[in-house]
Amino acid sequence: GESVGLHLPTLSVQEGDNSIINCAYSNSASDYFIWYKQESGKGPQFIIDIRSNMDKRQGQRVTVLLNKTVKHLSLQIAATQPGDSAVYFCAESGGSQGNLIFGKGTKLSVKP
Amino acid sequence: ETGVTQTPRHLVMGMTNKKSLKCEQHLGHNAMYWYKQSAKKPLELMFVYNFKEQTENNSVPSRFSPECPNSSHLFLHLHTLQPEDSALYLCASSQGEGEAYEQYFGPGTRLTVT
Repeated sequence: GESVGLHLPTLSVQEGDNSIINCAYSNSASDYFIWYKQESGKGPQFIIDIRSNMDKRQGQRVTVLLNKTVKHLSLQIAATQPGDSAVYFCAESGGSQGNLIFGKGTKLSVKP
Repeated sequence: ETGVTQTPRHLVMGMTNKKSLKCEQHLGHNAMYWYKQSAKKPLELMFVYNFKEQTENNSVPSRFSPECPNSSHLFLHLHTLQPEDSALYLCASSQGEGEAYEQYFGPGTRLTVT
């Protein structure tokens, strides 16, 4: 079916280390992907997006990688900081008028 | 702050009550959304409004009734809810409808149905 899921529900990293959060999607027709960050007591916040004609996109301290062959998406956070502690969601969309389909989320905890 | 506010932040209601959730966006956006976020489940789209017109109803039960009087305000009227409706209800807005437009989320209303 058309769904987006996450490999791991929780991830704990040491401050300063790099974090990698993974996401699998099942709809091969999806052509647009977004990562969101949700801190406690807040709504999701856009981090970075990528279109299916790309396999990598970089932002400030974050990188998104897309592997269309295995339908896998990942978010890499460099030099993870305590402020990065949150739940991270991936979302996919199958068309310009399509609505987003969200994954369950991975909770990232950063140890000082 | 994202420019999207929601009230109340917390709500406890009985199954026979009628209540309303309110969302207001101060971003000049034209599209507004209601999402449901349950524990251990993905974020679920409920309704979409674009220029005050409903463009999406994602098979939501009729005990949830949305209202969009203008592009800045969105309501979700609740009546005869079930305990399984307990969740975080998130409102979002975007400049336009569709993936080309980034969605900005409010902080949500934590709803508990007793």
